[in-house]
Amino acid sequence: NAGVTQTPKFRVLKTGQSMTLLCAQDMNHEYMYWYRQDPGMGLRLIHYSVGEGTTAKGEVPDGYNVSRLKKQNFLLGLESAAPSQTSVYFCASSYSWSGGGGTDTQYFGPGTRLTVL
Amino acid sequence: DQQVKQNSPSLSVQEGRISILNCDYTNSMFDYFLWYKKYPAEGPTFLISISSIKDKNEDGRFTVFLNKSAKHLSLHIVPSQPGDSAVYFCAASGMAGNMLTFGGGTRLMVKP
Repeated sequence: NAGVTQTPKFRVLKTGQSMTLLCAQDMNHEYMYWYRQDPGMGLRLIHYSVGEGTTAKGEVPDGYNVSRLKKQNFLLGLESAAPSQTSVYFCASSYSWSGGGGTDTQYFGPGTRLTVL
Repeated sequence: DQQVKQNSPSLSVQEGRISILNCDYTNSMFDYFLWYKKYPAEGPTFLISISSIKDKNEDGRFTVFLNKSAKHLSLHIVPSQPGDSAVYFCAASGMAGNMLTFGGGTRLMVKP
């Protein structure tokens, strides 16, 4: 049982390049989330998914796209990377909704450190 | 404007003593609060939570206190151990459909 895994662990991009971050979970969770962590800012939600084939915007969605074609995978795409997207990206999953009204725990992956030059 | 704030970016404590990590929030609609712990190069892991209908929740060495009138919660670790050295995030949620909102984190260092 690997839990939540993220690929790659590190990446350096040049401004304008594109890339996709992959998140995979083997816990059969319905809900998946992408966060970014910046110094002093905590974790901010980028996009989330409440089930296969669904996606929704979080707090800071601009410049990112996501897809959830399979229940176990949640992809985060950057179409044209900018230096402001330099951050550590975390994927998380939960069995049920972890936001307001829900109390389910989120399980996090180890993170991807992205630098955009 | 951050709705959940952890005003101390770092805290240093001697092994065996109490560690107190603080968190303030501004949104009165928050009704569920959590603490996550994060080691370097790892993702955050859930530590303890509290609902707004309670003012205290205990789990072993960890206790979370909630003061709704002050919009303040704190995490107490007693006794502190070197393995507790990590970054601690508080998070809050409220009303169905709202997302978890995280604070900026506090780095705890427990010295042997």
